[in-house]
Amino acid sequence: AQTVTQSQPEMSVQEAETVTLSCTYDTSESDYYLFWYKQPPSRQMILVIRQEAYKQQNATENRFSVNFQKAAKSFSLKISDSQLGDAAMYFCAYKGGYYGGSQGNLIFGKGTKLSVKP
Amino acid sequence: SAVISQKPSRDICQRGTSLTIQCQVDSQVTMMFWYRQQPGQSLTLIATANQGSEATYESGFVIDKFPISRPNLTFSTLTVSNMSPEDSSIYLCSVGRAPLNTEAFFGQGTRLTVV
Repeated sequence: AQTVTQSQPEMSVQEAETVTLSCTYDTSESDYYLFWYKQPPSRQMILVIRQEAYKQQNATENRFSVNFQKAAKSFSLKISDSQLGDAAMYFCAYKGGYYGGSQGNLIFGKGTKLSVKP
Repeated sequence: SAVISQKPSRDICQRGTSLTIQCQVDSQVTMMFWYRQQPGQSLTLIATANQGSEATYESGFVIDKFPISRPNLTFSTLTVSNMSPEDSSIYLCSVGRAPLNTEAFFGQGTRLTVV
């Protein structure tokens, strides 16, 4: 069974600085997707960034980028120029590939609570 | 993307009663997923609802406690039955991006408190 591990329950960053959130996963599949979701106090799950396992290039979305190390099964999120609005719970998630029989559900890590200090 | 409307957004219920949560999607989707997020915890899949067939439940969740309906391709309900304080959680519905479900979209969640 696939598992996702986030080893940092809480992280703190100074506004305008850079922070990296860690995530490791375990799977025997070769086709899969990895995600970082942000959950502010509003409860809404917001997709931050997505990575397809078959792509070697690390995904980037504006201030957000990932370091995807497939062999090490590591998927860390880097937030540059942190803003107060980045404060939230961040969840790393895994989804198996469609052709591997995945139904489409996600497997989540326990989350990292990010605080941003002004 | 898919827009998901989930109702109610929050509720406070008496133990022993039931609550039905509705999830409406603005496009037709094959699979809908229901997750539970207990206080301070991560999301755990309750069940997968496929239109036209019985929902598939994950280990630890049973149909008698969490009956699900999926009458069409845009709508689903999750009922939390015979509630106890341990059922106090956030419940979220989710759908995948067609055709290969390469991305998941979430409703805004229902915060349930059982007293």
